[in-house]
Amino acid sequence: NAGVTQTPKFRILKIGQSMTLQCTQDMNHNYMYWYRQDPGMGLKLIYYSVGAGITDKGEVPNGYNVSRSTTEDFPLRLELAAPSQTSVYFCASSPSGGAADTQYFGPGTRLTVL
Amino acid sequence: AQSVSQHNHHVILSEAASLELGCNYSYGGTVNLFWYVQYPGQHLQLLLKYFSGDPLVKGIKGFEAEFIKSKFSFNLRKPSVQWSDTAEYFCAVNPSVSGGYNKLIFGAGTRLAVHP
Repeated sequence: NAGVTQTPKFRILKIGQSMTLQCTQDMNHNYMYWYRQDPGMGLKLIYYSVGAGITDKGEVPNGYNVSRSTTEDFPLRLELAAPSQTSVYFCASSPSGGAADTQYFGPGTRLTVL
Repeated sequence: AQSVSQHNHHVILSEAASLELGCNYSYGGTVNLFWYVQYPGQHLQLLLKYFSGDPLVKGIKGFEAEFIKSKFSFNLRKPSVQWSDTAEYFCAVNPSVSGGYNKLIFGAGTRLAVHP
């Protein structure tokens, strides 16, 4: 049981390039989330999904897209990378959307846009 | 807007010292409260959480936190820290509002360094 896995661990992009951050969970969780963490700041929600085929915007969705074709996978797409997207990205999952639910996090992807 | 404040961004302690990390939130309704921890090179993981009942919550590795509703606080404590407690600690709040999803609001985190 690997939990939540993310690839890659590190990436450097040039301005204007695109990439996809991969996230997979093997816990059969319905809910999945993408967060970004900027230095000295808390995690901010980019997008979330309540199940396969259903996604919605979080607090900071601009410049990102997501899809959820299966329960296990929740990739995050960056189109036209900008320096403001330099951050650490965390994927997480939870069994349901309950307010007391624990979220389970992946190891993070450190992205630098130059 | 709802927010979470962690007042100490960096804390340095010697082993066996006592620890208290502050966390305050701004939301007047029912809340669920969490402390997550990220050890060096590891995933963010749950340390403890409060959602109802006894406001003194015990978590893993000897940590505890007390929910004081009147002070909008959920401070994390440990009576005697160890070198292995070196990590970054995040307080998070999930307001109990209808709307369907588990909206965690995170504080900025506190980096704890414990010296032998």
